[in-house]
Amino acid sequence: GAGVSQSPSNKVTEKGKDVELRCDPISGHTALYWYRQSLGQGLEFLIYFQGNSAPDKSGLPSDRFSAERTGGSVSTLTIQRTQQEDSAVYLCASSLAPPGGGQDQPQHFGDGTRLSIL
Amino acid sequence: QKEVEQNSGPLSVPEGAIASLNCTYSDRGSQSFFWYRQYSGKSPELIMFIYSNGDKEDGRFTAQLNKASQYVSLLIRDSQPSDSATYLCAVDSSYKLIFGSGTRLLVRP
Repeated sequence: GAGVSQSPSNKVTEKGKDVELRCDPISGHTALYWYRQSLGQGLEFLIYFQGNSAPDKSGLPSDRFSAERTGGSVSTLTIQRTQQEDSAVYLCASSLAPPGGGQDQPQHFGDGTRLSIL
Repeated sequence: QKEVEQNSGPLSVPEGAIASLNCTYSDRGSQSFFWYRQYSGKSPELIMFIYSNGDKEDGRFTAQLNKASQYVSLLIRDSQPSDSATYLCAVDSSYKLIFGSGTRLLVRP
């Protein structure tokens, strides 16, 4: 498809289970971002991948969160031992190039994964 | 902590009026500025981006940037009920985008 694809669109799971969220960026986009948005809140940065560089994990809220990006394309965000406070919409975005430098490429968002922890 | 501030609203305007949405940011080094629209239950959708001081127009939308005042705004002319949404301001800081919490716009028919 032409846009950022995320799966699943909805995920309901019990507290303590692990979940894996997938993001397929726009073809050719080198930068990939994960954000979290709780109900009625703004976007919280989680992690950023740029090409083959080491990811910026500075936004991950705890060591239960991890992410990978294989082959510079698809990314998975894994949450281990989920807690109720992890309930949110997890958004993935990609851009042609990272911000910084004055003529930044916009980020394009997927439809998100709505995660509900019971 | 670099910040982007927006009034949460709601900003209520009548149909056909001009809606003015404002955003201030703290990082003087920021060079790229974006406005996203987010309908309830949907993901953010890019509306406009601006890099240079001044105005940039695209259809009914005008983005205004004043780097000296660290201020960026979005004007929506001839507002329509379909414009009712939350508008997110995003600013580059280092190599990340920092998002404001958004302003909710309500356009009354």
